[in-house]
Amino acid sequence: KAGVTQTPRYLIKTRGQQVTLSCSPISGHRSVSWYQQTPGQGLQFLFEYFSETQRNKGNFPGRFSGRQFSNSRSEMNVSTLELGDSALYLCASMGGAPTYEQYFGPGTRLTVT
Amino acid sequence: AQSVAQPEDQVNVAEGNPLTVKCTYSVSGNPYLFWYVQYPNRGLQFLLKYITGDNLVKGSYGFEAEFNKSQTSFHLKKPSALVSDSALYFCAVRPLNSGYSTLTFGKGTMLLVSP
Repeated sequence: KAGVTQTPRYLIKTRGQQVTLSCSPISGHRSVSWYQQTPGQGLQFLFEYFSETQRNKGNFPGRFSGRQFSNSRSEMNVSTLELGDSALYLCASMGGAPTYEQYFGPGTRLTVT
Repeated sequence: AQSVAQPEDQVNVAEGNPLTVKCTYSVSGNPYLFWYVQYPNRGLQFLLKYITGDNLVKGSYGFEAEFNKSQTSFHLKKPSALVSDSALYFCAVRPLNSGYSTLTFGKGTMLLVSP
């Protein structure tokens, strides 16, 4: 089985711009979660999508949004980028019961200048 | 709300020696507990999990973890460290019956294994 893939792997944007990141989960997985990783804050949960519906949301401003398509692929969007949005964005897909293991992609490294 | 504490920012150990990376947690109800490892410029790799059953859980690459309910701990261990084990290790928790996949992570512990 192919693992979780994320595109692009690296991205450089300017303050004020917007960005879209993409995640393709493991085949058959319907849940996709997004996390932001920074040296200062560690790993923080952004949101989770299940069957095209946002099922859970972390404590991030409305500039961070996401969606999921019928094939379970997910995108996250960050509008009006700030320097503090520079981070590694990780996507994870989750298998079903009973283990609910999450499998992570390699991440997208976003640098905002 | 759940939380995870990894009290050590860094653990240093010589190759061949046993290693322990500490983790304590707080969660309502019974926990799912996980350990992940992250190598530079890579995503997180699953090492092992505890759901129910034996308190000693065996995982990938010779790692194991011991669940201690009374101490709310889930320490990661390996009998003999390798230089290639040097990486960033994360402990994570979610409530057993939460219905959500959200993981709460610790801050991470950098493991450095010297030759």
